[in-house]
Amino acid sequence: GAVVSQHPSRVICKSGTSVKIECRSLDFQATTMFWYRQFPKQSLMLMATSNEGSKATYEQGVEKDKFLINHASLTLSTLTVTSAHPEDSSFYICSATGTGSPDQPQHFGDGTRLSIL
Amino acid sequence: AQSVTQPDIHITVSEGASLELRCNYSYGATPYLFWYVQSPGQGLQLLLKYFSGDTLVQGIKGFEAEFKRSQSSFNLRKPSVHWSDAAEYFCAVASNTNAGKSTFGDGTTLTVKP
Repeated sequence: GAVVSQHPSRVICKSGTSVKIECRSLDFQATTMFWYRQFPKQSLMLMATSNEGSKATYEQGVEKDKFLINHASLTLSTLTVTSAHPEDSSFYICSATGTGSPDQPQHFGDGTRLSIL
Repeated sequence: AQSVTQPDIHITVSEGASLELRCNYSYGATPYLFWYVQSPGQGLQLLLKYFSGDTLVQGIKGFEAEFKRSQSSFNLRKPSVHWSDAAEYFCAVASNTNAGKSTFGDGTTLTVKP
């Protein structure tokens, strides 16, 4: 089946650091990738939708200058948390959908646990 | 806009017992419906999906779900639960024009007693 690889799986860094998370579709071309944030014991909150070659569409309340998203190819999207602070600590998950018909479901990465000290 | 409700935050069942997790959705037309499972610290794994056709959908790991339009429900069932089924379960709904963008319920935590 379709595989989405997310890297790194865990990162711990100091406050003020910028952190980049990669999301790759390994065996299909992903025209659209989604970035989610999940707090402990809560559901997934959609942060933004990125389409290859276009600017990402951010959900209401998500700071686009804080969470930079790049989707430069059909197999790679990146999320950069700029000047991260402890309140940015969370579990970030990406997902990707392929080209073709509208009934393409999402394929999820295994998530990235971000801890800001 | 679509929405989904999972009424049960936490369910505990004994190993070998049957399971039903509830999911209700709100959407103007026939939606695309999904059930995912998430183990701690992991991403989501698709259990099954409904797009159209037969309203009883079979998924992986022995799970099934039934789409009931009249009740706006898509409940997940398994006849005999295994200890390895303990996890978080999410129901999700998407529009029938873009199944790639889903709205998730708040999840149900399943605990399995030995």
